[in-house]
Amino acid sequence: GNSVTQMEGPVTLSEEAFLTINCTYTATGYPSLFWYVQYPGEGLQLLLKATKADDKGSNKGFEATYRKETTSFHLEKGSVQVSDSAVYFCALSNETYNTDKLIFGTGTRLQVFP
Amino acid sequence: GAVVSQHPSRVICKSGTSVKIECRSLDFQATTMFWYRQFPKQSLMLMATSNEGSKATYEQGVEKDKFLINHASLTLSTLTVTSAHPEDSSFYICSALAGGPYEQYFGPGTRLTVT
Repeated sequence: GNSVTQMEGPVTLSEEAFLTINCTYTATGYPSLFWYVQYPGEGLQLLLKATKADDKGSNKGFEATYRKETTSFHLEKGSVQVSDSAVYFCALSNETYNTDKLIFGTGTRLQVFP
Repeated sequence: GAVVSQHPSRVICKSGTSVKIECRSLDFQATTMFWYRQFPKQSLMLMATSNEGSKATYEQGVEKDKFLINHASLTLSTLTVTSAHPEDSSFYICSALAGGPYEQYFGPGTRLTVT
C-alpha cells in the first residue's frame, strides 16, 4: 500500500542554519507529493508540491525534488528563520491533483531559535 | 486564499454523550470535504470523505454509526461523534476541496476530550 515515512523531530536549529527534513514514500503508480506546514494554532497549509519525477516544488525559500529512484521528497531550506517554526508534514496522493486521499507522514516539528 | 473554519476549536464532553463538530468553507463552495483524525505524535488518518448531497465514504476500520457525517450544503459538513468514549479523545481536522486548481484547504482542527 501507500505510505510516507518522515524523520522524527523535533528538529532544533539556530536562525540562518540549513534545514533538511527527510521524507521517503512507498506507492504504486505515479503519486503526487506534497509538503504541508502547520503553524501553531492554525490549520495545515500547502507549502509545495511536485506531480512527477524530477519536478522541484518551491515556495517561501523551501524546496523539494521528487526523486523516483530513491522514492524521496526531502524538504530543504538554505537559511531558516524563527518564523519557520512549525510542524511539517510530507504527504502523497495518487492523483495528479490532491483530489484523492492524502496519505500523511507523522509530521516533523521544527524549532528555530534566534 | 481559501479559508476553512471549524467549530468548536475544543470541546470536553462526558462519556456517553454526543458531540457535533462543524466544518465550513468560508469563501468557496466545496462539493467534497474530508475528515481526519490526528493522534499525538502520529500522522493524520483519513476517516471519511464527505460529498455534498450524498452519503459519506468511510475508510476501513472507521465506524460509520459512531462517526456520523452530514454534508448538507456546499459550505458545511458536520461530524457527530455519538456515544463518545475516552478513546475517542483526539484532534479532528477537516479539509475542503476547492473547485480549481484542485487543492485541499484545511481547518484549524477541533480538540475533543471525553471524560
